Amino acid sequence: AAGVIQSPRHLIKEKRETATLKCYPIPRHDTVYWYQQGPGQDPQFLISFYEKMQSDKGSIPDRFSAQQFSDYHSELNMSSLELGDSALYFCASSLSGGGNTIYFGEGSWLTVV
Amino acid sequence: QKEVEQDPGPLSVPEGAIVSLNCTYSNSAFQYFMWYRQYSRKGPELLMYTYSSGNKEDGRFTAQVDKSSKYISLFIRDSQPSDSATYLCAMAFSAGGTSYGKLTFGQGTILTVHP
Repeated sequence: AAGVIQSPRHLIKEKRETATLKCYPIPRHDTVYWYQQGPGQDPQFLISFYEKMQSDKGSIPDRFSAQQFSDYHSELNMSSLELGDSALYFCASSLSGGGNTIYFGEGSWLTVV
Repeated sequence: QKEVEQDPGPLSVPEGAIVSLNCTYSNSAFQYFMWYRQYSRKGPELLMYTYSSGNKEDGRFTAQVDKSSKYISLFIRDSQPSDSATYLCAMAFSAGGTSYGKLTFGQGTILTVHP
């Protein structure tokens, strides 16, 4: 079965650079979520989209932005990268109806040097 | 204080043991309770979910919720070395709608089951 696809799986950026992460949800899933998990930390909710509109916002820095496109894939753009942005970034998707399972992708490892 | 507190562990148990993992929460608005398993450098994988107080069983796993005490547990029976992973409790304010996936996680408990 198709899962949530994230790319790239790993990337290394220098401070003050920009990075873009991509997420392809499970087919027919209408909602996408982004989470950040620092080393030894629990995942922190960043932002979510439902039918291409932002539906919820969590602890996402102003330097970050995201959007969901017409094909439901989503991109997380991170600018002016800081060392503290080094983390595992997860995308998850689900159907918006109640009781549906939220599936997580394998994550994208960002290292800022 | 975090909204969701999880016993940090780590836990190390022999194969076949019963494992108990626990979380407490402070916000009574949480309505939907989940347990995820996460292997190193992998995405969280949903194990169990429940809406209501009481027990829910699925194979070797039992999820227990006590809303009056704001306490949830996951029990693993006949634990296996393949159960070695980080276990995360997670909670949501609603079981539907677009806020459904805005999860608040516990800190995670690292479990090692040794042969």
